Amino acid sequence: GQNIDQPTEMTATEGAIVQINCTYQTSGFNGLFWYQQHAGEAPTFLSYNVLDGLEEKGRFSSFLSRSKGYSYLLLKELQMKDSASYLCAVMDSNYQLIWGAGTKLIIKP
Amino acid sequence: GAVVSQHPSWVICKSGTSVKIECRSLDFQATTMFWYRQFPKQSLMLMATSNEGSKATYEQGVEKDKFLINHASLTLSTLTVTSAHPEDSSFYICSARDGGGREQYFGPGTRLTVT
Repeated sequence: GQNIDQPTEMTATEGAIVQINCTYQTSGFNGLFWYQQHAGEAPTFLSYNVLDGLEEKGRFSSFLSRSKGYSYLLLKELQMKDSASYLCAVMDSNYQLIWGAGTKLIIKP
Repeated sequence: GAVVSQHPSWVICKSGTSVKIECRSLDFQATTMFWYRQFPKQSLMLMATSNEGSKATYEQGVEKDKFLINHASLTLSTLTVTSAHPEDSSFYICSARDGGGREQYFGPGTRLTVT
C-alpha cells in the first residue's frame, strides 16, 4: 500500500532551526510537496521537489532523495508565526496526492 | 498566483437539510478539482476527484449519493451534502489543478456544523 510517514509533533525554539522528516512508499512518484496549514485554515503551498537535492526558498528549504524515499523540510530562523502543521504529500503515478498526517510544529519563545 | 475561492466560509444547518458548497478557480481553468474533508487534529482526507464535464470519482467509503459533486465548468465545482447529520460536521476544503500543472491550489475551506 501507499504510505507517508512524518512525526506527529515537534517543538522548537524561536530563532532556531528545525528539520521535519518525511518518508514515503508510493506506487510511482511524480513529485513531493510540502504544505503549511495553520489551525482552522486551508493548506498553503511551500515547496515542490521532483529531482534529488535541496531546494532553497528564503527561510525554508526542502530536500529529496528518491532512492531513499525520503524528504525533509528545513525551517531556519524560526518565528512564532511558523507554528503550524506541516503536511508532506507525494504525487503518485496517477497524479493523485497521497497525504501524510502532518507534523504539528510548536514554537516556544 | 492562482486563487481558489470557496463559499460559504462557514455554515450551520439543521440535521436532515442539504448544504451546497461552491469552489471557484478565479484566475485559471481548473480541469481537475478535489474535495477534501478534515476532522479536528487530523490530516486531509480526499473525498472525490472531479474532472470538468464528467462524473466525479469517489474515494472508497465516501457515499456518492450523500456527497453530490458537480463540476459543470472549468471554474466551478460544487459539493452538496444531502440530508446532513451531526457526524458530517467538518472542515471541507476544495483544491484545483489546471491542465498542465501538478500543484494543487487550495480554497480557504468551509466549516460545516450540523445541529
